[in-house]
Parts: sequence; structure tokens; C-alpha cells
Amino acid sequence: GAGVSQTPSNKVTEKGKYVELRCDPISGHTALYWYRQSLGQGPEFLIYFQGTGAADDSGLPNDRFFAVRPEGSVSTLKIQRTERGDSAVYLCASSTGRQETQYFGPGTRLLVL
Amino acid sequence: AQSVTQLDSQVPVFEEAPVELRCNYSSSVSVYLFWYVQYPNQGLQLLLKYLSGSTLVKGINGFEAEFNKSQTSFHLRKPSVHISDTAEYFCAVRGLFGNEKLTFGTGTRLTIIP
Repeated sequence: GAGVSQTPSNKVTEKGKYVELRCDPISGHTALYWYRQSLGQGPEFLIYFQGTGAADDSGLPNDRFFAVRPEGSVSTLKIQRTERGDSAVYLCASSTGRQETQYFGPGTRLLVL
Repeated sequence: AQSVTQLDSQVPVFEEAPVELRCNYSSSVSVYLFWYVQYPNQGLQLLLKYLSGSTLVKGINGFEAEFNKSQTSFHLRKPSVHISDTAEYFCAVRGLFGNEKLTFGTGTRLTIIP
């Protein structure tokens, strides 16, 4: 079946702009995760959804970052007033539930000029 | 809280030679352990995982890893590598209870020399 998909694959924006990154999880997966991977680093956890609610948002770096999952499927990561330091690959993963294997999408490469 | 250390940022290996990629972790609670592989321009793919039971875990593409609780290690091994194994390898941990996030190491880039 289809894996996790993320759009766009690449996004270039200017400092101060607003961006939205989309994640389509594997069909039927109730858990969804966002991670950020900076150059030369491993992925770092941002937020975890179980269904529609954010069960753990402890990894969001500041209040410019926000994520939603209104119908318990597709999720959108929103970044306001982007900064050059936000440049990274944003990864989405999904799983069938708590404590289950996480399957990753190909990521969105964000470049803030 | 958990942390993962992958001391080797780059490992060059000749084709058909064996390889070991090192991973050490730190945690105040019991953990699950994972190895993920990231091929160029692709997403992370699960290689193998340790949840419980036998400390020797076999994964895809001929890889295996051994959990050593006393040394807090989870090293990845393959007896004979192939050109197609060229990729970035990430070790990750997750706490057993009430903790869903994966904590990753910084990765090891495996380069296979023909």
C-alpha cells in the first residue's frame, strides 16, 4: 500500500514568511509524528498526535510552530515568521498506535532565505 | 530522558568486507532500540528493532544488531557489505512506557568502496 507522503517535497521561502507543510499518513494509522532533521544531525522530535489531539508537543521549539490534525488523518505543520534557522528537512511518520513502529515519509526540505 | 551516541560519523568499507556501526545510549528507564537507514533522497526505513527477548536481532538486507544492556550498546553489523548498502544509518531509542517519541543519534554515513 501507499506509504507516508509529504508535500511539498521542497519549499523555499523568505525570512518572515508563513509556511505550511502537509503530511498524509498511511491509511488507518492513528498516530502521527513530526520530526525535524537539520544538516548533519539526526531527526529531532517535534510533536505527536494520537487521533485528532496533540498528545505530546514538547518538541516544538517555540510558539511560531504549530501543528493540526483536524480529522485524525492529514496533518499540517505551520511555521509563522520563518527564520533562517528553521531551514531543515521536516519529517512525518505514522504508526498504527501507541508503541508501534513508526513509518517515515520522504520529508519536506525547507529553505529559508 | 534518553540520548544516543553514534561515535563514527563516517565509515568507509570495501565491498564484501564486514562492517560494524556503533551505537551507545543513555536512559533512566528501559528502552526499545531501533536502527533506521536513509538512502540518498529517500525517507527513513526501519532496518531492525529490539523490543524484548533475544538480544540478537536480525533485520532486513542481512543486517543484525546485538543489545548489550551492561554496556548500553546496540551495535549494527553485516558480515559482507554491498555497494547498495551505501546510506546514512541512524540508531534510535524510545522509552518503554508513556513515551512515544524516538530519540535519534547523529547518524553514521556508510560508504562502500568498490
